[in-house]
Amino acid sequence: DSGVTQTPKHLITATGQRVTLRCSPRSGDLSVYWYQQSLDQGLQFLIQYYNGEERAKGNILERFSAQQFPDLHSELNLSSLELGDSALYFCASSVGGFVETQYFGPGTRLLVL
Amino acid sequence: AQSVTQLDSHVSVSEGTPVLLRCNYSSSYSPSLFWYVQHPNKGLQLLLKYTSAATLVKGINGFEAEFKKSETSFHLTKPSAHMSDAAEYFCVVSGRTGTASKLTFGTGTRLQVTL
Repeated sequence: DSGVTQTPKHLITATGQRVTLRCSPRSGDLSVYWYQQSLDQGLQFLIQYYNGEERAKGNILERFSAQQFPDLHSELNLSSLELGDSALYFCASSVGGFVETQYFGPGTRLLVL
Repeated sequence: AQSVTQLDSHVSVSEGTPVLLRCNYSSSYSPSLFWYVQHPNKGLQLLLKYTSAATLVKGINGFEAEFKKSETSFHLTKPSAHMSDAAEYFCVVSGRTGTASKLTFGTGTRLQVTL
């Protein structure tokens, strides 16, 4: 158990809908990262927040957004969902930045029908 | 720009034999390099990381990797495979583009361990 929690574990929704994925980092970690893992794209870094502020951006679509709250939990919002958004979404946390060890949550499996 | 190439998408070894998972990287800056493992239906777990200290890095579960700048490689090895090592392994490079850090994952190598 990494100490990073993600909810929900599974999510099934329809195209055009909006969903919110939630992540709670390990106690004491200030950075939260979001990743998308799909069969065709592999594992891709989406975005990083550090202590409430956006720190780095990867291949995140404009339809997607994230935020980190004062209690350091984070939410990833996915809107206008398309079939291709079906994937496993991971959250990770670390004490500081990228060179530090990231601890991954178990992921949220999203299926868009 | 940075990139990482995992040279084998699938590796099969017998239990008790050595493991070699190959990774080449490209980075404009001095990179930090990682190997992560993902067991089926699980999140990723860090095996080891290189951050410009010793070039031979020892990780968990008997794995180690050697950073070779001249060959731009960071291959993962283990002297003796165990059935529990069967998983997907990702080589990852971290670097900076301007003021922003960026993390790039390889496409993964699936390790199969047979009796």
